[in-house]
Amino acid sequence: GNSVTQMEGPVTLSEEAFLTINCTYTATGYPSLFWYVQYPGEGLQLLLKATKADDKGSNKGFEATYRKETTSFHLEKGSVQVSDSAVYFCALSDHTGFQKLVFGTGTRLLVSP
Amino acid sequence: DTAVSQTPKYLVTQMGNDKSIKCEQNLGHDTMYWYKQDSKKFLKIMFSYNNKELIINETVPNRFSPKSPDKAHLNLHINSLELGDSAVYFCASSQDIAGAREQYFGPGTRLTVT
Repeated sequence: GNSVTQMEGPVTLSEEAFLTINCTYTATGYPSLFWYVQYPGEGLQLLLKATKADDKGSNKGFEATYRKETTSFHLEKGSVQVSDSAVYFCALSDHTGFQKLVFGTGTRLLVSP
Repeated sequence: DTAVSQTPKYLVTQMGNDKSIKCEQNLGHDTMYWYKQDSKKFLKIMFSYNNKELIINETVPNRFSPKSPDKAHLNLHINSLELGDSAVYFCASSQDIAGAREQYFGPGTRLTVT
């Protein structure tokens, strides 16, 4: 079945550091890929998405590129802020038509001043 | 204006009890979901309704019964609660089931079974 693997956290960085959170997936066909973010005490929010190979999703300084050859969708940001501290979830949706999201285990990011 | 709301926010109850969680969305979406997030933050889909029709029913014990009285509401009733049901339950909605739709999540209901 479909699955998503994310790097274990927590990831601890100082403000303005470069961020990479790795995400790889296993799926039949060509799924759509997402990054969702969960701030403390809140529900998940869509951060960015990509729907086909080589697409780059971007939002709020975060970027991720859909790499079919490596089945990856790594999240990057050039300069993190304290306010980016949250849990980040990589997810995929196949094309069965039911919008079923399969999530990775989440990666907690802690940014210190 | 809250897009996806859930009540209650916290629910503490004893084993064997029956409880319900309510969800409402004011986005005019056709599709709604229930997710369970365990203590390790792992998030898994439980159910999905599209236009009040059940379209996703994962391997969830039949003590869990979703009900969608209309497109804007999706409630979750849990019978005979067990310790392992303790988790955060998230409701979500999307415009429809067309490809790669954004899902909008509620704030979650933290259920603690003692």
